[in-house]
Amino acid sequence: ETGVTQTPRHLVMGMTNKKSLKCEQHLGHNAMYWYKQSAKKPLELMFVYSLEERVENNSVPSRFSPECPNSSHLFLHLHTLQPEDSALYLCASSQDLGREKLFFGSGTQLSVL
Amino acid sequence: EDKVVQSPLSLVVHEGDTVTLNCSYEVTNFRSLLWYKQEKKAPTFLFMLTSSGIEKKSGRLSSILDKKELFSILNITATQTGDSAVYLCAVPFAGTASKLTFGTGTRLQVTL
Repeated sequence: ETGVTQTPRHLVMGMTNKKSLKCEQHLGHNAMYWYKQSAKKPLELMFVYSLEERVENNSVPSRFSPECPNSSHLFLHLHTLQPEDSALYLCASSQDLGREKLFFGSGTQLSVL
Repeated sequence: EDKVVQSPLSLVVHEGDTVTLNCSYEVTNFRSLLWYKQEKKAPTFLFMLTSSGIEKKSGRLSSILDKKELFSILNITATQTGDSAVYLCAVPFAGTASKLTFGTGTRLQVTL
C-alpha cells in the first residue's frame, strides 16, 4: 500500500455537480496539502493543514472547500466548478509543517464539462 | 516574488546518454531546493539540497547546488528508458517549509 492514497483516480463532472476528492496518508504525518497541476503550469499550492487545522488558503475560490477530519484524511469538496478547473489534483503529506519533503499521492484527474 | 525556472522544457536523448537538467531560482530567505521525478502522476522525492557545493548522489542521479549563482543541476548518467519522466524543482516560498514553489518541470524522454 502506498503512503498517500487518493480516490477517485479520474473524475468527470458537470458544472452543476457536487463531488468530493479523498486523500488518506498512512505515514503518520501531521501536515497535509492540496496541490493543483494544470497542463503546462507549475504545481500550485491550494491548501495546507496541520493537525487538522487549516494554516494556508492560497487565494482559492470558494467552490473548492477542503476538510480535514483527522490527521490521516483530507477531502476536497467541489461545487459549481468551471471548465478551467480541469486539472490533476494532488494530495501530499509531510512529517510536520517544518519539513519541506513532501510525499505525494497519484492524484485525481478532474475534467469539468 | 519567488520564482523557479527550469530548463530545458523538454529533452529527448538516446539510452546511455548523460543529461543535465537546470533549475534557477529567486527566493527570499533561501532554505532548501528539492528535486522530484514525476513519471505518471505522483511526484516522487529525489534530493533535497541545502548547502552549496555538496553533491548529493543516488545511483546514476546526482545533484548539486550553487547558492551564489542561485541554481542547481540534476545529472543523470547512462540514461535508461525508465528515466523518462518530468523532473520538477521546488523551493520553499519565502523560506516557509510548508509552501513549495515549483518550476514547470523538464520533460525527459529516453529512447532506445
